[in-house]
Amino acid sequence: AQTVTQSQPEMSVQEAETVTLSCTYDTSESDYYLFWYKQPPSRQMILVIRQEAYKQQNATENRFSVNFQKAAKSFSLKISDSQLGDAAMYFCALYNFNKFYFGSGTKLNVKP
Amino acid sequence: EADIYQTPRYLVIGTGKKITLECSQTMGHDKMYWYQQDPGMELHLIHYSYGVNSTEKGDLSSESTVSRIRTEHFPLTLESARPSHTSQYLCASSDWGPNQPQHFGDGTRLSIL
Repeated sequence: AQTVTQSQPEMSVQEAETVTLSCTYDTSESDYYLFWYKQPPSRQMILVIRQEAYKQQNATENRFSVNFQKAAKSFSLKISDSQLGDAAMYFCALYNFNKFYFGSGTKLNVKP
Repeated sequence: EADIYQTPRYLVIGTGKKITLECSQTMGHDKMYWYQQDPGMELHLIHYSYGVNSTEKGDLSSESTVSRIRTEHFPLTLESARPSHTSQYLCASSDWGPNQPQHFGDGTRLSIL
């Protein structure tokens, strides 16, 4: 079975500070893909960053980076220099067997 | 912004009515998905399609049905709505390839009275 766990239902960060959102997953496959999606209030869910499991190098996209620990099945998202526009629900997702499996999400609050 | 559209955005309707939630994408994606999401909760896959005339049930059992007569169109139908169907329904599409992300619509918030 494929499972994705986000243990932090809600987090807060001060504007301009750094925050890390946790995600762990379980799969018996060696080849899979991991994603972080952002869902702002009443807006479309959009892709933040993706990681191929076969790549050891951690993916980065501007202020967003991941810490991918394959052996530990951990895939955390780091947001640097947090901005008010980063406030949203963040979902971690595992792609395997032609399907996406989503975690329960972490609500990120950004304080001015 | 992704070119995937869902209508209506909001729907409040009485029990027993037949409902169709529309989803269209202009990206030519073969793969399309329907998710059910309660507020602040995870997404549950209820239907997916790999192309025209292809439909599969997802991991979460649902009384809804889908059809895929055209590549760009993937409507979801509830024959007789019940209060337990109250939720948000998200449509998504993706291109072939394991690292291709899903593009999501705005969602339909459905409330059954």
